[in-house]
Amino acid sequence: SQTIHQWPATLVQPVGSPLSLECTVEGTSNPNLYWYRQAAGRGLQLLFYSVGIGQISSEVPQNLSASRPQDRQFILSSKKLLLSDSGFYLCAWSVKGAPTDTQYFGPGTRLTVL
Amino acid sequence: AQSVSQHNHHVILSEAASLELGCNYSYGGTVNLFWYVQYPGQHLQLLLKYFSGDPLVKGIKGFEAEFIKSKFSFNLRKPSVQWSDTAEYFCAVTLNTGGFKTIFGAGTRLFVKA
Repeated sequence: SQTIHQWPATLVQPVGSPLSLECTVEGTSNPNLYWYRQAAGRGLQLLFYSVGIGQISSEVPQNLSASRPQDRQFILSSKKLLLSDSGFYLCAWSVKGAPTDTQYFGPGTRLTVL
Repeated sequence: AQSVSQHNHHVILSEAASLELGCNYSYGGTVNLFWYVQYPGQHLQLLLKYFSGDPLVKGIKGFEAEFIKSKFSFNLRKPSVQWSDTAEYFCAVTLNTGGFKTIFGAGTRLFVKA
């Protein structure tokens, strides 16, 4: 069966520090991968999606970036965190060729920027 | 701009009460519709989905949702809730444009009193 992992589970970082959140998927090949952010009282906002290694599309301009160095690895990064980057970050995957189908979510990372 | 509205942010019910959570979206084209649920301490997971066909969709744990195209709505229902239904519920719409854009509502927190 497929599983999706995210780490760390929680993170507290000072403003201006770098960020690296990692997501890995097991049990499937060549998935579509997604990064979402959930701010308090708001829905999930799609940040990035990827259809393959090295292929990243950004939905929202911001100081975050994403990379996909391996088929089942998706990394969210920042060079300098802002206070507004605080939130709950979710990684998700869906079956290749079915981008409008069900997405499967990881456990999330709660990021607090102080 | 496309959006998804969930009418209630917090709902409190007693066990055996009936549930209806509203969801409306703004997009004139073809959509796929989802309800996701996040139980306390668990991953966000699919509750049910509508792609085509019968507009009344049945999901897990006795939930159902009805797609009313003329009203741009996809309301979630359950005739008799249980304490274990306490969770946060998200309505989501994926625009069937060949792209990857999924728009989530802000979520509804349901608390069921035993």
